[in-house]
Amino acid sequence: DIVMTQSPDSLAVSLGERATINCKSSQSVLYSSNNKNYLAWYQQKPGWPPKLLIYWASTRDSGVPDRFSGSGSGTDFTLTISNLQAEDVALYYCQQYYTTPSITFGQGTRLEIK
Amino acid sequence: EVQLLESGGGLVQPGGSLRLSCAASGFTFGSYAMSWVRQAPGKGLEWVSAISGSGGSTYYADSVKGRFTISRDNSKNTLYLQMSSLRAEDTGVYSCAKHRVPWELLDAFDIWGLGTMVTVSS
Repeated sequence: DIVMTQSPDSLAVSLGERATINCKSSQSVLYSSNNKNYLAWYQQKPGWPPKLLIYWASTRDSGVPDRFSGSGSGTDFTLTISNLQAEDVALYYCQQYYTTPSITFGQGTRLEIK
Repeated sequence: EVQLLESGGGLVQPGGSLRLSCAASGFTFGSYAMSWVRQAPGKGLEWVSAISGSGGSTYYADSVKGRFTISRDNSKNTLYLQMSSLRAEDTGVYSCAKHRVPWELLDAFDIWGLGTMVTVSS
């Protein structure tokens, strides 16, 4: 199985500042035939299911504010939240979907307001 | 509106069985692969199982292989998860999730249900 490791486990950022969450996969999730990284980011608020933010490592899902951005390739990825808002407080997960039947998630990163 | 609604959770003794259902609406159900994902209390997300749009291909996490069976009835727009030989470590919220693009298994999940709680305890 591909192991996804997020860092940090938690972080506190001031309103209006930038938050950066990292995700590292134990093997590449870049599919060479189409040059796509099979990597997604999700946001989960208490009592709610995860919400898809980013897929293909850097494509925002419909309706996701442009202050959310994804970057990286191969094994190292980053979710950046610019101009942090109070409603961004949540758990964030990365997910690889490079291998079925073994989709895996990172352990999650808790984002709080400083 | 695209919606997924799970049901069937509850309290079951170790070794017991349970069948979860996920009713889909607002999209052409049979065109999309679907997955089950679970979350133990206070823990992260764990993918459990996936099924192709036609139902002809199924996949399982090693932790549930041989004990859980995923299936779907496209005429009823419903996804199922039959769980047997349940263990305490199977306790958690089970959510169904829709794969983003038609016919694609290797894809992110764009719609999730609220989930149904399964508790395995004596």
